[in-house]
Amino acid sequence: AQKITQTQPGMFVQEKEAVTLDCTYDTSDPSYGLFWYKQPSSGEMIFLIYQGSYDQQNATEGRYSLNFQKARKSANLVISASQLGDSAMYFCAMRVWNTGTASKLTFGTGTRLQVTL
Amino acid sequence: DTAVSQTPKYLVTQMGNDKSIKCEQNLGHDTMYWYKQDSKKFLKIMFSYNNKELIINETVPNRFSPKSPDKAHLNLHINSLELGDSAVYFCASSQYLGLAGIETQYFGPGTRLLVL
Repeated sequence: AQKITQTQPGMFVQEKEAVTLDCTYDTSDPSYGLFWYKQPSSGEMIFLIYQGSYDQQNATEGRYSLNFQKARKSANLVISASQLGDSAMYFCAMRVWNTGTASKLTFGTGTRLQVTL
Repeated sequence: DTAVSQTPKYLVTQMGNDKSIKCEQNLGHDTMYWYKQDSKKFLKIMFSYNNKELIINETVPNRFSPKSPDKAHLNLHINSLELGDSAVYFCASSQYLGLAGIETQYFGPGTRLLVL
């Protein structure tokens, strides 16, 4: 069974500072993908960044980067130069390559980030 | 040009009623999903369809019946609504790219269901 753990229910960060949101995962499957989604107060789920289990380099996407430590089974999201608009819930999710075309995302419980002035 | 759309956005209804939520994607994806987000914000998959074929059914009560008339649409019908069905229901879609493909799921805006 796959499991995603986000141990920080809430985080505060000052504007323009960097923040790291923690995510650890558990799977016995060697092929998997890790995703981060942002859910602002308006409710939509916005895809941020992806890391594949075989990717050699950490993923980056603008101000978002993923600190992927395979041996530790962690995939932390780093947001640099935080902005007020970054205030939202952040979800880490994992996709395991099941047989055939079946796939599903297993989500963590989320971290609520609040960016302050 | 919304990629994944859902209707309605809000749904308030009485216990025991039957209701449907519609989802459409214009991304050309072949796989669609329904997720449920509970009051604690926990997201869990309910169903997945690939090319109109049910692929994943995650032990959801049979009061919930998905229907995919074509690969761009996945509707969710709920019979005999219960208080515990109150949640946000998200539709998502992705394109299967093989075992090593980056299969990003794109979500709709969600449908907020409140059962009174």
